Amino acid sequence: IAGITQAPTSQILAAGRRMTLRCTQDMRHNAMYWYRQDLGLGLRLIHYSNTAGTTGKGEVPDGYSVSRANTDDFPLTLASAVPSQTSVYFCASSEGHSGANVLTFGAGSRLTVL
Amino acid sequence: GQNIDQPTEMTATEGAIVQINCTYQTSGFNGLFWYQQHAGEAPTFLSYNVLDGLEEKGRFSSFLSRSKGYSYLLLKELQMKDSASYLCAGMDSNYQLIWGAGTKLIIKP
Repeated sequence: IAGITQAPTSQILAAGRRMTLRCTQDMRHNAMYWYRQDLGLGLRLIHYSNTAGTTGKGEVPDGYSVSRANTDDFPLTLASAVPSQTSVYFCASSEGHSGANVLTFGAGSRLTVL
Repeated sequence: GQNIDQPTEMTATEGAIVQINCTYQTSGFNGLFWYQQHAGEAPTFLSYNVLDGLEEKGRFSSFLSRSKGYSYLLLKELQMKDSASYLCAGMDSNYQLIWGAGTKLIIKP
């Protein structure tokens, strides 16, 4: 089934540890995004990539890094996790990055940093 | 600054009609999106408006007034499965989405 796969689904992590959230899409979409969703707040963009080989910073990039080595994969890395990074993380993709650009979301990764 | 405002929670009765409002302030404007998100699941696309007026898609309709910075999502013939959060998002001049916090819709029998 075409779509986005995220892993892990859920993770509890000690503060200071390094963590990579994986995201793979099979729709050959050009653009990919990482969002975090916290209670009472709208989705906030962490990093994005308009096409393979390029990345950009979103609204809340500090403490996170991404890479886009190919079209399908867009991993998000927390170099040294902190409790404020406890959140639900959604990966999304779209064909382009402008105009009537519908996002397809993965199922989310729930991360708890203790 | 950029901002999206929508009510935190609404309650409606099965079979009825409900209107979820959204006001937006963005730097430039390239459209207004509505997404549905069931609890514990990913958001899914409902509608996109870039011109003024009403777009109808089955039981769901979305309206946009660019001069007023206002949109609404209209849900008719409510079903229990419509219980979800509804996310409003405006696209700014850089094609970045600004998201509201979502409106949790509770449907009662």
